[in-house]
Amino acid sequence: QVQLVQSGAEVKKPGASVKVSCKASGYTFTSYSIHWVRQAPGQGLEWMGSINPTGGYTDDAQKFQGRVAMTRDTSTSTVYMELKSLTSKDTAVYYCARDFGAGGFYYFDSWGQGTLVTVSS
Amino acid sequence: DIQMTQSPLSLSASVGDRVTFTCRASQTISSYLNWYQQRPGKAPTLLIYAASSMQSGVPSRFSGSGSGTDFTLTINSLQPEDFATYYCQQSYSSPHSFGPGTRLDI
Repeated sequence: QVQLVQSGAEVKKPGASVKVSCKASGYTFTSYSIHWVRQAPGQGLEWMGSINPTGGYTDDAQKFQGRVAMTRDTSTSTVYMELKSLTSKDTAVYYCARDFGAGGFYYFDSWGQGTLVTVSS
Repeated sequence: DIQMTQSPLSLSASVGDRVTFTCRASQTISSYLNWYQQRPGKAPTLLIYAASSMQSGVPSRFSGSGSGTDFTLTINSLQPEDFATYYCQQSYSSPHSFGPGTRLDI
């Protein structure tokens, strides 16, 4: 079955960077893009960007451009999301999700379990 | 960028009720609209894609409709496990924005 397993919780100081991993299994890794979505405490879902595992092409939300880097390692079927220059506003649960497409429509059919990133001095 | 709005933002209902949520896009998105359910402390799960197509394994009491800018999610005969937050999301263009969510409470 399709599984996305994320790395564990992180505590970072303001100004630092965090790198969250998302390991995929149960399907052909290069066939589907992976998206990153975050959720601040008590808030809604916020789309951050995506990566195409085949060529490594990324599409980042303008809000995060210059601060986020999404990479992949096809040998381990793992996608990484690095967020730099952290502030307290980046405290959130970060999710990865598989973008499945059928008939031209795309949707997130599988999600990781989430990674809590806490930014605190 | 396409902005997504949802109404109501919260709703109280009882087991057995029928409820309808609304999602509106700031510009036409054809049928590129997905619905997700999120229970507290859990990752979201896909309910409906392409506005009205049910994801495999989702109970038939869930249904979606709409196209263009206005969409609805209906739950017939609410069950205890349905009390959660529901998000719509557009996949028409990047950024793939979500609505603010509708919280369904008992």
